[in-house]
Amino acid sequence: DSGVTQTPKHLITATGQRVTLRCSPRSGDLSVYWYQQSLDQGLQFLIQYYNGEERAKGNILERFSAQQFPDLHSELNLSSLELGDSALYFCASSGDDFSNQPQHFGDGTRLSIL
Amino acid sequence: GQNIDQPTEMTATEGAIVQINCTYQTSGFNGLFWYQQHAGEAPTFLSYNVLDGLEEKGRFSSFLSRSKGYSYLLLKELQMKDSASYLCAVYNAGKSTFGDGTTLTVKP
Repeated sequence: DSGVTQTPKHLITATGQRVTLRCSPRSGDLSVYWYQQSLDQGLQFLIQYYNGEERAKGNILERFSAQQFPDLHSELNLSSLELGDSALYFCASSGDDFSNQPQHFGDGTRLSIL
Repeated sequence: GQNIDQPTEMTATEGAIVQINCTYQTSGFNGLFWYQQHAGEAPTFLSYNVLDGLEEKGRFSSFLSRSKGYSYLLLKELQMKDSASYLCAVYNAGKSTFGDGTTLTVKP
């Protein structure tokens, strides 16, 4: 158990809809990272937050947005969903935003777009 | 830009040693991580290198050469449970760029 909690575990919805994925980091971790992993593909970094502030951005689509709240939990919002958005979405956390901290991953949210 | 290359697949025998290579070309470098990911599960941290040389952790070791943009993960005394995908990730300025992973199959 990594200590990172993601909800829901599975989500099935239709094209054009909007969903919110939630992540609670490990106790004491200030950084939260979001990744997308499509079938048979590697992890694609989406965005990082550190203590409530956006710190780094990857190839995140404009239809996607995220935020980190004062209690450090984070949400990833996906809107105008397309079939290609079907993927496993991972949240990870680390103690800070320095390079020597490994990231601890949640079990992911499997998003299926019908 | 960031470019990370790993072999797509490798096969090895139980009890043997296997080396998984990773080469990278990135615009910056703060450190390199190796993660293990079983199918459908979350990645789990294996090792971290920031300076050149070998880091050993039980059956797993990781090596880094920053001048060559090269790292490898060495797995000794392979066990069936080591069958998984192994991800190399370069960390730079808050961003982690992951390779596509190497799927290792351990056979009896």
